Amino acid sequence: AQSVAQPEDQVNVAEGNPLTVKCTYSVSGNPYLFWYVQYPNRGLQFLLKYITGDNLVKGSYGFEAEFNKSQTSFHLKKPSALVSDSALYFCAVSGSYNTDKLIFGTGTRLQVFP
Amino acid sequence: GAGVSQSPSNKVTEKGKDVELRCDPISGHTALYWYRQSLGQGLEFLIYFQGNSAPDKSGLPSDRFSAERTGGSVSTLTIQRTQQEDSAVYLCASSLLGTTYNEQFFGPGTRLTVL
Repeated sequence: AQSVAQPEDQVNVAEGNPLTVKCTYSVSGNPYLFWYVQYPNRGLQFLLKYITGDNLVKGSYGFEAEFNKSQTSFHLKKPSALVSDSALYFCAVSGSYNTDKLIFGTGTRLQVFP
Repeated sequence: GAGVSQSPSNKVTEKGKDVELRCDPISGHTALYWYRQSLGQGLEFLIYFQGNSAPDKSGLPSDRFSAERTGGSVSTLTIQRTQQEDSAVYLCASSLLGTTYNEQFFGPGTRLTVL
């Protein structure tokens, strides 16, 4: 069965510091991995995805994520956090044998302090 | 083009009443999904429509919940005899299947409050 784990309910970071939001997954077949962001009182917005190819993928707003097959992880990163990055982040996965459904993690709230 | 739209944006109802939530997917998207997001919780999958296939209802929490999709486009999620635990944000998403992956585009959600 497909599953996603986001082990941290909340991540706190000072503005200007690097940030990491963790995600691990379990799927049948090759994984298709996504990050979505939800700003207050708004719907989910697509941030980036990994399908195949380079393990480091770059997305919107300066975010990037690294696919690590051996550790079954897809951590979200940004070199320098902004206060405006404060939001709820969701990792999601589908497997190449079942691309119809995305399984979402429980979300990690990122709080960036000035 | 227009994104996924949902209506109403907010709905307050009394316990025991029925409610209907509407979703207009992106034109041409063959797949449509409903999720529920309770306060402080992640996304709970409810139901999935793909083209003319029978919907995947595996996520519906009870038989009070139902959904339909007319003409392969607009979808309505109906909750009968609402309960306070139904209070949540209901999100709709659509995607264009037939690609090798499944990027979903989300609407702004309907916030349902059951008094």
